[in-house]
This record gives sequence, structure tokens and C-alpha cells, in this order.
Amino acid sequence: EVRLVEFGGGLVQAGGSLRLSCAVSGFRFDNYAMAWVRQAPGKGLEWVSAIIGSGARTHYADSVNGRFTIARDNSRNVLYLQMNSLRAEDTATYYCVKDDLTVFAVAWGQGTLVTVSS
Amino acid sequence: QSVLTQPPSVAGTPGQRVTIVCSGSRSNIGIRPVNWYQQLPGTAPKLLIYSNNQRPSGVPDRFSGSRSGTSASLAISGLQSEDEAAYYCSAWDDSLNGQVFGGGTKLTVL
Repeated sequence: EVRLVEFGGGLVQAGGSLRLSCAVSGFRFDNYAMAWVRQAPGKGLEWVSAIIGSGARTHYADSVNGRFTIARDNSRNVLYLQMNSLRAEDTATYYCVKDDLTVFAVAWGQGTLVTVSS
Repeated sequence: QSVLTQPPSVAGTPGQRVTIVCSGSRSNIGIRPVNWYQQLPGTAPKLLIYSNNQRPSGVPDRFSGSRSGTSASLAISGLQSEDEAAYYCSAWDDSLNGQVFGGGTKLTVL
């Protein structure tokens, strides 16, 4: 069974940093691209960042480019999102998602809430 | 302002058929497959339709998807109370070089 479990969310002041982790199980981690998607309270979904299976290529939304870094440890089956220079508008539930070849987000974690206080 | 455009809400009665339209452009829906996600209240989203019209195993055939030009549609027939949820369309955008979502449509079953 595919399982994605995020942790590392919490309350942080504007300008601060936070690192999210996503522990995965149930599939060959390094074979699949992964991504982060966020959802501000009461709002819609927003794609944040993606990384291919080897980790050699990454993509970022304009809203986080230069502030967030996505990475993965294929030996530990963990996906990361390093978030720096956090802003109030980064407040959201962050979901870890698994791609499946050409299909985006076939599996989702339960999400972890990040609150940035200004 | 979302790159893909969906109506904020739709409503229907049990047994009815409803359709949600997702409008995009030539750089996303026009050339890339569309996925649909269902988000039940208080839960994480779930893949509902992929590659325009394919259903993952376990998704009832009451749910169907289609694409035409730069728009995609999600149809739900035989509406049930448990279908009350938010529905999101999504596709890769070649101009933005990223995944884009619609703003979401809240389905109310009256």
C-alpha cells in the first residue's frame, strides 16, 4: 500500500525557515517523481514544486522560486521541502504527492499545516 | 486568479447529472492531459480522473471526464449525497513550466 506521511509543519514567524519532510513507503521511491502541493485555509490547491526520481531536475512555482528548495533522499525514502524567507501568504496545508509516470498526484499524504505569523 | 477556470459552485439533487467545466488555454489543456481531483470535507484530495477520461480503480463509473480543445469537463451522473465535495481540474502548463489547477468547484447535493 502506498503511504505518504508529512511532518515538520508548525508556527513560524515571517522571515523564518522551516523544513518539511515526507516519509514514503509501499513503492520504489527512486522510480517516481514527487511534488508538493499546498492549500491556504479555505482556498484552492496550488502546486509548489516537483522533483524527478533521481533528484537531478526540479521545478518551482514562481511564488516560491528562490525561497523554497525541494530535495529527496532516495536511500531513506524521504522527500523534503526547505522553506526560507517565509511570508504570511505561505500559510497553508502542505501535501506531499506521488506522480505515476505521466500522471500527476496519483497519491496524496494527509498534509501538514504551516502557519506563518506576521 | 487561477490559470484554469472553474465555476465556484454547482448543485444538484440526488440522481441528477451535473457537469463541471474547466477552461484553460493552448499551453495547458490544449496540449496536455487533464486530471480531476475530489476533496471531501476535511480530507486530502484524491485522484478522480486522469488523462482526460480515465478512472483509477475504485472510482465509480458515475464519474466521467472529457476534453475538447482548451476545455475539459467532469460529469457526475446518478448524484449521491456522498459526492458532496470540492472538485479540482489540473494540467501541466508548458508556458509556466509547472502544474496548474482550477480554483475548485464546490458541489452541493440538495
